[in-house]
Amino acid sequence: EDQVTQSPEALRLQEGESSSLNCSYTVSGLRGLFWYRQDPGKGPEFLFTLYSAGEEKEKERLKATLTKKESFLHITAPKPEDSATYLCAVLHYGGATNKLIFGTGTLLAVQP
Amino acid sequence: DTGVSQDPRHKITKRGQNVTFRCDPISEHNRLYWYRQTLGQGPEFLTYFQNEAQLEKSRLLSDRFSAERPKGSFSTLEIQRTEQGDSAMYLCASTDSSGNTIYFGEGSWLTVV
Repeated sequence: EDQVTQSPEALRLQEGESSSLNCSYTVSGLRGLFWYRQDPGKGPEFLFTLYSAGEEKEKERLKATLTKKESFLHITAPKPEDSATYLCAVLHYGGATNKLIFGTGTLLAVQP
Repeated sequence: DTGVSQDPRHKITKRGQNVTFRCDPISEHNRLYWYRQTLGQGPEFLTYFQNEAQLEKSRLLSDRFSAERPKGSFSTLEIQRTEQGDSAMYLCASTDSSGNTIYFGEGSWLTVV
């Protein structure tokens, strides 16, 4: 069964203190690994899609990387506005099925 | 491109009443999804449409839940005889045939009292 596990559940950083969030997954044939940002009371905001081991993508202070068993979201010199829940999901695809399976997220708080 | 639009954003209903949510996907997106999210959890898959065809339904989607996507454009999610356990945020998402980028709407909050 496809499964996504995110760690840590919560992370508190000082402004400028770089860190990484982890997403480990088990899936029968990875078709895509997605990262989203979610602010309280709002829908997930798309960040990245990664497809194969070794792939990296960047957006502002965020960089996502992918290995065969996990993905990391690196946050460089975070600012308070980066505070949010970061969600990881794998695309389960095959036959008639086509759906994202999400982890429970990492709640990031960046203090000024 | 105005993004995925959901309506209403918030709904408070009494137990036993029926509610309906509407989703307007990004234009020309042929794939549409419904998810449910409760506090502290990631979104859980409910159902998937490709054009007007409903191709997959989760076990979470009891017989009180029904979704439609007539003409392959907007979609509706109806919950009949609501229960307190239905209280959650209902999210709609859409993507094109490539599936490379799946966009979510802002969600519809349901509170059953």
